[in-house]
Amino acid sequence: DQQVKQNSPSLSVQEGRISILNCDYTNSMFDYFLWYKKYPAEGPTFLISISSIKDKNEDGRFTVFLNKSAKHLSLHIVPSQPGDSAVYFCAASASGANSKLTFGKGITLSVRP
Amino acid sequence: KAGVTQTPRYLIKTRGQQVTLSCSPISGHRSVSWYQQTPGQGLQFLFEYFSETQRNKGNFPGRFSGRQFSNSRSEMNVSTLELGDSALYLCASSLAGSNVLTFGAGSRLTVL
Repeated sequence: DQQVKQNSPSLSVQEGRISILNCDYTNSMFDYFLWYKKYPAEGPTFLISISSIKDKNEDGRFTVFLNKSAKHLSLHIVPSQPGDSAVYFCAASASGANSKLTFGKGITLSVRP
Repeated sequence: KAGVTQTPRYLIKTRGQQVTLSCSPISGHRSVSWYQQTPGQGLQFLFEYFSETQRNKGNFPGRFSGRQFSNSRSEMNVSTLELGDSALYLCASSLAGSNVLTFGAGSRLTVL
């Protein structure tokens, strides 16, 4: 049972335009959400996170939006750059010292020059 | 400061063999988690260790095991390897109470 779903396996956008990466979750206990970026031959690196008490968090070109009622979050990258081309993983966790991160399958973003 | 170090980076084994992977966390990080990444499956949680105790375990068979040492370094072992065990095995560490994991570059296991 996939509790964190990234239904689109890939996304291609033009350099300078907005990239919108979507993520859905099914577990209502999840209250903390993260995005990771992964380049080939490297481990995932933390990008941005959001707590369920917020509906938006911004860090430079990256903004994450959370819609708790729809159990949906999205990552916006504006403007997109060729160096943003990577696999993006959405992850979620529930409160508690023993909580683990549950990841989606990832979205491959390609930014065309 | 040094990141999460995983060894070996690449290895090839044959079916039926066993393998041990090593992970050195960031200094001061006492929590270590292991994930398996296969094409199309994302990151599947294996287990998490904190202060030498397994706190959480994913849905993997008993052939997959791990441990953590007093210096927070961790190892995972896979016995009786199967072709389907071919994957990138990622280790991540975090500060106690933090949800943010810092990953190593992974150990790429190929089972022939």
